[in-house]
This record gives sequence, structure tokens and C-alpha cells, in this order.
Amino acid sequence: EAQVTQNPRYLITVTGKKLTVTCSQNMNHEYMSWYRQDPGLGLRQIYYSMNVEVTDKGDVPEGYKVSRKEKRNFPLILESPSPNQTSLYFCASSSPVDQPQHFGDGTRLSIL
Amino acid sequence: GQNIDQPTEMTATEGAIVQINCTYQTSGFNGLFWYQQHAGEAPTFLSYNVLDGLEEKGRFSSFLSRSKGYSYLLLKELQMKDSASYLCAVRDLKFSGGYNKLIFGAGTRLAVHP
Repeated sequence: EAQVTQNPRYLITVTGKKLTVTCSQNMNHEYMSWYRQDPGLGLRQIYYSMNVEVTDKGDVPEGYKVSRKEKRNFPLILESPSPNQTSLYFCASSSPVDQPQHFGDGTRLSIL
Repeated sequence: GQNIDQPTEMTATEGAIVQINCTYQTSGFNGLFWYQQHAGEAPTFLSYNVLDGLEEKGRFSSFLSRSKGYSYLLLKELQMKDSASYLCAVRDLKFSGGYNKLIFGAGTRLAVHP
């Protein structure tokens, strides 16, 4: 089954404790992206990747890092999480780049 | 700047027709997407318009006017399961390489009542 898998689905943690949200897709897609979704603001892009070892900032990259060492994986790293990063996060992928994106099921992060 | 506007909430009756509007202002334009998102779930793709006109897909249709920066999603024969948020997203080409920057509206929460 074609899918984008995110882990964990839910996480409650404390300020400053590094965390990684994994994202994996099994569709051999070149393009992958991370979004955060906050009430009243819609989905905002954090980082995206056009292919392996090619990443760039989206609209709200501060406080986040990503890597793309393999085509299927695109982890989101919060080196020192803060409460303003409490949000619902979605990973998405597509191929070619202009096709509709497939979204993962989301990760709800709470930073206390 | 970049801006996408949709109504925050709408209500409708089962079996009726509802139109959800979306207006946009972006620096570039190369297509408009509509996604459906049930509460707590991932967005799922509904429709895509890149040329002016109407695209029909079963009970759902989407219309685009590029000159007016306007689109709408039309849902016919509404069912209870159509209660969800509907997200309008514009693809804003950054450069000719086809970077797929999607700018999302905040979404319209549709409640369908019996």
C-alpha cells in the first residue's frame, strides 16, 4: 500500500530535549516536505526536499532541521524544542514535483 | 505578498449543494488544489485546476478564474461524511525548475446537518 508514515503520532516532551520525527514514504517520490498546522493559520511549510541531499527552507524553518540521506526518509529534527513548536506536523511527498502531495497521518507534538 | 482567503466556517443540510470560495494573491501561479481534511486526519487530495473553467469529479466540482484570483469547490448531494475542513492551496512557482511550493489557506470547516 502506497503511504507516508510518520512516527511518533503523539509526543509530549519538555523544553530543550532534542527530538526527531521520522517520515518515510514507499512510493519512490523525489519531493518531500514538512508542514505544521496551527488553528487559524492553516498548513505552513517548514522545509522541503527536491531529492536526496537537496533541502531548502520553507516559510517557518526557525528551530527545525532536516536531512535527506535516502530517498524514502525525511526526518524532522528539533534540536532544542520550545513551547511555540507545539503543533500538528505533517510530512508529505509527491512525484513528479507538480503532482498532488500525499500526506502522512500527522504527529501531534506538545512541548511543555 | 501571498494570501489565500477562505470562509472560516459553513453549514449546510444533507442532500443540499454548497459552494466554498477561495480567493488568492500570489507572486506566481501554477495551479490550485483542493484538499479535504477530517478532524485529526491527514489532508487528502480532491481536485486540481490549472486552466480556467470547471473540473468535475463525481459529486465534487472545482472552478478556477485566474484573472480574478478566484476558485470555488462545489459539493453536491451533501452527505454527513462530507463534514470536514476543505483546504485551498495555490502552487506558487519559485523558479522554472518546478519547485512545488504550496501555499495553503486556513481552511473552511463545513458542518453538514441532517
